[in-house]
Amino acid sequence: DAKTTQPPSMDCAEGRAANLPCNHSTISGNEYVYWYRQIHSQGPQYIIHGLKNNETNEMASLIITEDRKSSTLILPHATLRDTAVYYCIAYDYKLSFGAGTTVTVRA
Amino acid sequence: GAVVSQHPSWVICKSGTSVKIECRSLDFQATTMFWYRQFPKQSLMLMATSNEGSKATYEQGVEKDKFLINHASLTLSTLTVTSAHPEDSSFYICSAKFPGQGSYTFGSGTRLTVV
Repeated sequence: DAKTTQPPSMDCAEGRAANLPCNHSTISGNEYVYWYRQIHSQGPQYIIHGLKNNETNEMASLIITEDRKSSTLILPHATLRDTAVYYCIAYDYKLSFGAGTTVTVRA
Repeated sequence: GAVVSQHPSWVICKSGTSVKIECRSLDFQATTMFWYRQFPKQSLMLMATSNEGSKATYEQGVEKDKFLINHASLTLSTLTVTSAHPEDSSFYICSAKFPGQGSYTFGSGTRLTVV
């Protein structure tokens, strides 16, 4: 699996967009980019995934650069309930979690 | 949507005893399930891949004889922590992939405390 690099933490204001970066410079052509989040003491929750194209669902948007070496998860209107650890994963056949980004949404 | 049920949600056991954790896929069949372990303030560590009807595949450094995995049906995988020690105290989580979807669904986790 390609390794991913994320900032250890970030704060964002409630109601504002939260942009979470992820570097995956060694990703291979068949590896998807997955995003999960984990709220304290719970199992991870799926957010979104993509291969090449940008993706959007009811939770978030995923922007993948053309060279696929990095991506950004966008939470359009962060709420206090979005406070969690966010994991960016380069996936081929299993999900391997890195350290993630601890996102704190502040009122 | 796909739901993975994990039981129990927490368990306390004495050193030397064995503990079984169940992971069930509700309303869908999962030929493959994954087991993770998470220590406080750390990320999830993949322990093994559970395959229905065959032996589990363990990650490097995970003791096969200590963490017994049985995937006897398409909806149930179990993880048995044998001869538990305090250092086995952790948060254990399973996941499964809903057929036809790209995402994996995770259980709510089991917090094991060995005293």
